Amino acid sequence: SAVISQKPSRDICQRGTSLTIQCQVDSQVTMMFWYRQQPGQSLTLIATANQGSEATYESGFVIDKFPISRPNLTFSTLTVSNMSPEDSSIYLCSALAGGPLEQYFGPGTRLTVT
Amino acid sequence: RKEVEQDPGPFNVPEGATVAFNCTYSNSASQSFFWYRQDCRKEPKLLMSVYSSGNEDGRFTAQLNRASQYISLLIRDSKLSDSATYLCVVRSNNDMRFGAGTRLTVKP
Repeated sequence: SAVISQKPSRDICQRGTSLTIQCQVDSQVTMMFWYRQQPGQSLTLIATANQGSEATYESGFVIDKFPISRPNLTFSTLTVSNMSPEDSSIYLCSALAGGPLEQYFGPGTRLTVT
Repeated sequence: RKEVEQDPGPFNVPEGATVAFNCTYSNSASQSFFWYRQDCRKEPKLLMSVYSSGNEDGRFTAQLNRASQYISLLIRDSKLSDSATYLCVVRSNNDMRFGAGTRLTVKP
């Protein structure tokens, strides 16, 4: 299994600013992901965080808006840039771990943009 | 068509009832299937994997029909603590796709 922590757990930010969310896994994992979940909605995959290379973004998400770092096999960051109220959401870090592979989630970061 | 579709819910059932959730998926190359549970304001957590032969874990039974691209979850003897949103998840290689979830409320 994997235990995933995220920081911050929540934040209220002003329009136009940026926020970086940190994700730490308690073991080395090959695959890490970032999701967004709007209230009452399911999860939407933002990108796959690749260790040592650029993240792979899903349709509708771009690197300039959501830059991602993955410096090693246990850590990743997601930055939400130039925020607008539409970015208010829960952002979840996830990792594939275990054998067979299972997907684990961090507790999420609740972001409110005013 | 969505890649993973679930019963919209919500399901409101009395304690002790049996309830079933359905899920269909569009990618015939999907390899692995799961049910996740998400409590309000919490992250999703794996409830159970779904195996080709069907599998049971206590009061929970999962079934897979590859020909119809259909997955189900049956909960017997519902408990108040089963109240949550249940997410159907389908994986192809390392690409995980989530359904929109079905909300279950078990009432006393």
